[in-house]
Amino acid sequence: QLQLQESGSGLVKPSQTLSLTCAVSGGSISSGGYSWSWIRQPPGKGLEWIGYIYHSGSTYYNPSLKSRVTISVDRSKNQFSLKLSSVTAADTAVYYCARGVVPAAAIDYWGQGTLVTVSS
Amino acid sequence: EIVLTQSPGTLSLSPGERATLSCRASQSVSSSYLAWYQQKPGQAPRLLIYGASSRATGIPDRFSGSGSGTDFTLTISRLEPEDFAVYYCQQYVLFGGGTKVEIK
Repeated sequence: QLQLQESGSGLVKPSQTLSLTCAVSGGSISSGGYSWSWIRQPPGKGLEWIGYIYHSGSTYYNPSLKSRVTISVDRSKNQFSLKLSSVTAADTAVYYCARGVVPAAAIDYWGQGTLVTVSS
Repeated sequence: EIVLTQSPGTLSLSPGERATLSCRASQSVSSSYLAWYQQKPGQAPRLLIYGASSRATGIPDRFSGSGSGTDFTLTISRLEPEDFAVYYCQQYVLFGGGTKVEIK
């Protein structure tokens, strides 16, 4: 059974960089046919796709966040990461890591989510 | 830019009733890329339907999806107590705004 677990700072100061890591267990992040995504959900609101990375390393970023987002993969540790720079209070959200099935992008496995609060 | 609009925003129904949720795209989209999710408070979303009409593993057959082009529907044939939740449609990297199914 595939499992994904987010980790990282739960509190980030405005203008700083949010950094999260997703550890994948029960399967290899290098397996073809999947994308590895970050999705967020502000408190009480809907879902927003941040971006994804393929096992090959190619990426897609939400155009509204593209200038601030970097997603990378560490195959040796079977994990992938998110960096979001210049954060503001609007970036406060539950951040989920997830696995998507290529090419449809349907998300079949999700992490439990981690709340990141942007506040001084 | 494609926009997904879900309606209604809230659906108030009783257990045993039929729920019909709508997801409308601002332009025609591929059915292959249309999925539905269920989310309960404090939990991650759960995949229900992919490819517009295929049930994900372990999803009861009271959940069904249909549609093509710009109009897609998620139907719950008879609501069980555990089905009261928020439902999202997704087309590739876009999500709809969600429909909350609440107990009447």
